[in-house]
Order: sequence, then structure tokens, then C-alpha cells
Amino acid sequence: AQSVTQLDSHVSVSEGTPVLLRCNYSSSYSPSLFWYVQHPNKGLQLLLKYTSAATLVKGINGFEAEFKKSETSFHLTKPSAHMSDAAEYFCVVREGGADGLTFGKGTHLIIQP
Amino acid sequence: DTAVSQTPKYLVTQMGNDKSIKCEQNLGHDTMYWYKQDSKKFLKIMFSYNNKELIINETVPNRFSPKSPDKAHLNLHINSLELGDSAVYFCASSQDLGLADYNEQFFGPGTRLTVL
Repeated sequence: AQSVTQLDSHVSVSEGTPVLLRCNYSSSYSPSLFWYVQHPNKGLQLLLKYTSAATLVKGINGFEAEFKKSETSFHLTKPSAHMSDAAEYFCVVREGGADGLTFGKGTHLIIQP
Repeated sequence: DTAVSQTPKYLVTQMGNDKSIKCEQNLGHDTMYWYKQDSKKFLKIMFSYNNKELIINETVPNRFSPKSPDKAHLNLHINSLELGDSAVYFCASSQDLGLADYNEQFFGPGTRLTVL
């Protein structure tokens, strides 16, 4: 069985400062891991994904995430926050086969001017 | 150019009614999904269809029934709507069920269902 835990329901940072959104996963197999972003009243957009290639994954809009198997973590980072980054972020795990995506409960990112 | 589209975008209806949400993908994918996002933003998979065959049915009431007239469409029918069905429903599609790099799930814009 697979599961994912997002450690913070809300994160608030000032514009121009680094962003860290934390995610831990649990999986019986080697999973694929994703980060999706949802802007207010919008659909879901894929930020980046890890599928057993390089452990440091770069995504869109300057985001990146590092897969750490020993820590079962897949934290999302960005060096400098922008006001347009304010949104809900979901860490997602997938084991493949007939399973769909298993979503974390989301982290609401707030950017202070 | 829209990859995954859903209609309607908003749906407001009375308790007890029957309603449908339509989903279409023009990506040529073999697998389609329905997800439910509750008021706390939690997303959970409801169904997936692969080559017109139901693959997953999570703990979803049988009032919900997916219908796939062809590979490009997966419609969601809901009978006897209840207050707790109010949520945002997302359709998605992927090439197939595997974990290959190309097998990203593409999401529709969502349908906000409100049951009064």
C-alpha cells in the first residue's frame, strides 16, 4: 500500500525567500513521486516527477525536488519565492499497475509581500 | 487544443436528483480516471478505465457509475445525489497504467458540484 504525508498544511514565506514544502512517502515498491500545483479555482498542473532516474528533479517555474530513499522523503524547494507561487501544492505517489495516484492532503503556500 | 475537458464547470442541483459530468480527452490515451476533491482539498481516486474496462472502484457508493462510450470519453453519472456529494470532481487521463516516464496523468479543469 502507498501513502504520502505532507508535514505542513500551511507554509508562509516572504517574496524572494526560499520555499521548502515537506513530503514523506510510504510505498511497498519503488514508487513514482510527483508534485502537483493547484492555483485558486484552477485545475491541477504537474510541477515535476521522479521515476527512478536522477534523484534531483527539476520542474517548472524554478521548483525542484530531491528523492531521498533513506529518509523516504521528496521535499519540494525553490530558491526564491514569487507572488505567483501562492497556491495549493500536492505531493503524490504512484506504485503503478492498476493503482491511481495517491495524493497528500496538500500544503497551502502563502507568499507575503 | 484543450487536452482534457470537462463539462459542466459548475453544477448546482437539489438533493435526490440524478446528474452527469462529461469528460473528454484528445490525447489518444488508453486510461482515464475520476478523482474527488473534498472541501478540505483532499483528492482521492474514484475510478479508472483502461480500454473501456473498469480497473479500480475504490470505496465509492454504487450511486456513482462511470460510463465510457469510447476511449476518449469517461462520463460520471451520479444517482440520488446527497449533500455529501458536494465536491470538485476531476477527470484525468494517461497513456496507460505503467510507471514509464511518458505516463503522466493530465487533469481536466474540474467540475464543482454543489448539492442543496
